[in-house]
Amino acid sequence: QKEVEQDPGPLSVPEGAIVSLNCTYSNSAFQYFMWYRQYSRKGPELLMYTYSSGNKEDGRFTAQVDKSSKYISLFIRDSQPSDSATYLCAMSDPGNTGKLIFGQGTTLQVKP
Amino acid sequence: ETGVTQTPRHLVMGMTNKKSLKCEQHLGHNAMYWYKQSAKKPLELMFVYNFKEQTENNSVPSRFSPECPNSSHLFLHLHTLQPEDSALYLCASSRGGNYGYTFGSGTRLTVV
Repeated sequence: QKEVEQDPGPLSVPEGAIVSLNCTYSNSAFQYFMWYRQYSRKGPELLMYTYSSGNKEDGRFTAQVDKSSKYISLFIRDSQPSDSATYLCAMSDPGNTGKLIFGQGTTLQVKP
Repeated sequence: ETGVTQTPRHLVMGMTNKKSLKCEQHLGHNAMYWYKQSAKKPLELMFVYNFKEQTENNSVPSRFSPECPNSSHLFLHLHTLQPEDSALYLCASSRGGNYGYTFGSGTRLTVV
């Protein structure tokens, strides 16, 4: 079983739709959760950072962590064509080594 | 400008060539990383450096040789690569611990 599972998609939605991206994980010791966005021919950029369970909102983006279900989500409201990218979830190694464990990434296309 | 600069952006090399990838960060971070990104696979951690010292070698073949002369610079020396080594090679830096990474834009490597 992979430590972090993420559906690669692709996911195609119309402009203005609400997008839900998800990851599941197996290690209950994970405490720090991140979402990265990667545009084509670019490196990933940190989008959202959360600690433990709960929600965090930043503009049109909401990150949600459910530790009891080992499930994290990223919601994008009022999606725009500029949101078209690959979204990677990541979790910090519990051993405080500084390593991140990444999901495979979900490719999102928002059509005008 | 992400604060992490990688050169070259693209590289085509033969299997008998020797080349080097360069990464430079201007963020004052203590940790630097090399990741390999292949199509349809999660990011694969290759090497970790903390305060110039290598703290992780993730079973990477010896044809990949990292070098970290100081906390701001990281190199990946390549020799006698195989076609399956063709991928996007990403450098990242962080403050260490559970903080997220800042990635460079990557070097797209093609081995012919």
